[in-house]
Amino acid sequence: NAGVTQTPKFRILKIGQSMTLQCTQDMNHNYMYWYRQDPGMGLKLIYYSVGAGITDKGEVPNGYNVSRSTTEDFPLRLELAAPSQTSVYFCASSYSINEQFFGPGTRLTVL
Amino acid sequence: AQKVTQAQTEISVVEKEDVTLDCVYETRDTTYYLFWYKQPPSGELVFLIRRNSFDEQNEISGRYSWNFQKSTSSFNFTITASQVVDSAVYFCALSVGGANSKLTFGKGITLSVRP
Repeated sequence: NAGVTQTPKFRILKIGQSMTLQCTQDMNHNYMYWYRQDPGMGLKLIYYSVGAGITDKGEVPNGYNVSRSTTEDFPLRLELAAPSQTSVYFCASSYSINEQFFGPGTRLTVL
Repeated sequence: AQKVTQAQTEISVVEKEDVTLDCVYETRDTTYYLFWYKQPPSGELVFLIRRNSFDEQNEISGRYSWNFQKSTSSFNFTITASQVVDSAVYFCALSVGGANSKLTFGKGITLSVRP
């Protein structure tokens, strides 16, 4: 099993550009999550999904959108990139209330 | 609302010293889960332990041990005989009972173990 994979690993965007961060898991987990990690601030939940077709906002959803058309994939969309979205983004998955498995992260810089 | 406080921000020890990382949590739910994750310099997040609110037994895994005390809302993590490879950021996290298991993270503790 590859676990949770994320692409790309690094990306630099210009202000106002859009992009999609990809996340795929092969563990058949029903729950998936997107977090962002800012220096010294821990991880904050952006969006989560409890199954295909079901998504909900986390603590910091503004400026982001998600979709969950399959169990495996949970892409995160940035429509109009802003410098405040410079961060490291982690995707995670879990089976119900068990531990979450994290992807390797995507380091995004918005200039 | 849930909250996790990791008051220590940076700890530096010499190899072979014991070190305790503190975690204090807040929740009104009676069913909840506590976690510790390790983030080494390479950046990935590594799961260390999960403890549910009904199980106050302390746990030991090799050089790692965890002390869960509901009376003080704490879930502290001790590394015995620390090693350089223990250098990392350590996060405590909380998930309350329910279907979504969202994690609320503390800000993390940066542990540096010097040879």
